Amino acid sequence: AQSVAQPEDQVNVAEGNPLTVKCTYSVSGNPYLFWYVQYPNRGLQFLLKYITGDNLVKGSYGFEAEFNKSQTSFHLKKPSALVSDSALYFCAVRGRNTGNQFYFGTGTSLTVIP
Amino acid sequence: GAGVSQSPSNKVTEKGKDVELRCDPISGHTALYWYRQSLGQGLEFLIYFQGNSAPDKSGLPSDRFSAERTGGSVSTLTIQRTQQEDSAVYLCASSPGVGRAPDTQYFGPGTRLTVL
Repeated sequence: AQSVAQPEDQVNVAEGNPLTVKCTYSVSGNPYLFWYVQYPNRGLQFLLKYITGDNLVKGSYGFEAEFNKSQTSFHLKKPSALVSDSALYFCAVRGRNTGNQFYFGTGTSLTVIP
Repeated sequence: GAGVSQSPSNKVTEKGKDVELRCDPISGHTALYWYRQSLGQGLEFLIYFQGNSAPDKSGLPSDRFSAERTGGSVSTLTIQRTQQEDSAVYLCASSPGVGRAPDTQYFGPGTRLTVL
């Protein structure tokens, strides 16, 4: 079965500190991996994606994520958190040969404390 | 340019009634997805349209759910004989749909459905 796990429902971090939002996945073969962010009262917005190539992917707003095949993880990171980063973050995966279905995690609520 | 729009933004209905939810994708996007987001849950894939190809309906939870896409643009998700467990936010997303790798999806604001 294919799935995505975001083990933390809630992450709190002080402004200026590094942040990590965790994501692990289970999918047949090599995956396509995505991070989306949902700000309050707004739709989901794309942050970054891994398709192929360099395992470290850089995306919008200073976020980055590293594809780790051996650990089947795609953790989202930012060196210095901003209060405006407070939002709900979703990890998503799609298999390369498993149809069109995307699997989303349950989301992690990030709160950056001033 | 305009993003993905969905209507209505909120819909309250009585159990057993049919509802239609509308999605207007970004102009020129050939791929369109419908998802359901229940409280405390991730996004649940429902259906996928790509151009004129037959839709991928593998995520539809029951035969009460159906969707169509007219003229390769606007899509309507229909839920017949609604049940309380259908209450959720229904999200639509579109993407350019070119190439084999999956594109970035652009999401609409969603329709919040409440079944009483």
